[in-house]
Amino acid sequence: EVVLTQSPGTLSLSPGERATLSCRANQNVWNNYLAWYQQKPGQAPRLLIFDASNRATGIPDRFSGSGSGTDFTLTITRVEPDDFAVYYCLKYGSSPPDTFGQGTKVEIK
Amino acid sequence: QVQLLESGGGLVKTGGSLRLSCAGSGFKFSDFYMSWFRQTPGKGLEWISYISAGSRDTNYADSVKGRFSISRDNAKSSLFLQMDNLRPDDSGVYYCARDYSDGSGYHPPGFWGQGTQVTVSS
Repeated sequence: EVVLTQSPGTLSLSPGERATLSCRANQNVWNNYLAWYQQKPGQAPRLLIFDASNRATGIPDRFSGSGSGTDFTLTITRVEPDDFAVYYCLKYGSSPPDTFGQGTKVEIK
Repeated sequence: QVQLLESGGGLVKTGGSLRLSCAGSGFKFSDFYMSWFRQTPGKGLEWISYISAGSRDTNYADSVKGRFSISRDNAKSSLFLQMDNLRPDDSGVYYCARDYSDGSGYHPPGFWGQGTQVTVSS
């Protein structure tokens, strides 16, 4: 089973700052089937990035994904007030189970 | 637009059963893989099960295998999760989700319902 470890656990930022979130896998993520989600309290997760670097429909271009193999990054170029939330990475693909990281909370500094 | 609406959650005692339903609208339900996930304070987000568009293929997390059963009724655009022999650690918010795309290859869950709370008391 692929285990995803996200860091940091909490990221304290001011609006306008750059956010860099990490997701590391304990083994290769086949075909870079890695997604990123945003979740706000009381809401379902929202897909931001799929296949490691492709933005989902309607996602602002300040969100970008990069990486391959075992190391992946979600970057928010300039954090806006609406971006303060918890972010999860997800490994998906042909070999269940799909597994999530434990999340990174982006909070207002 | 794509909408998913779960129902059927509630409070049940250890060993009891619940049947969750998920009604889909705004898309051709029969074209998409569907999945169930849950979120708990202890384990975070967890994939539970998926079912292929035509129901031929299903799969389950080890934690629920043999106790939960996924099914769908494409004519009614509905997804189901039969949960038997429930345990306290099954408590959480249960989400149904639709694959982001119906194209070839593998796709992450792209659209989620609002979730339904399941609480299993000991």
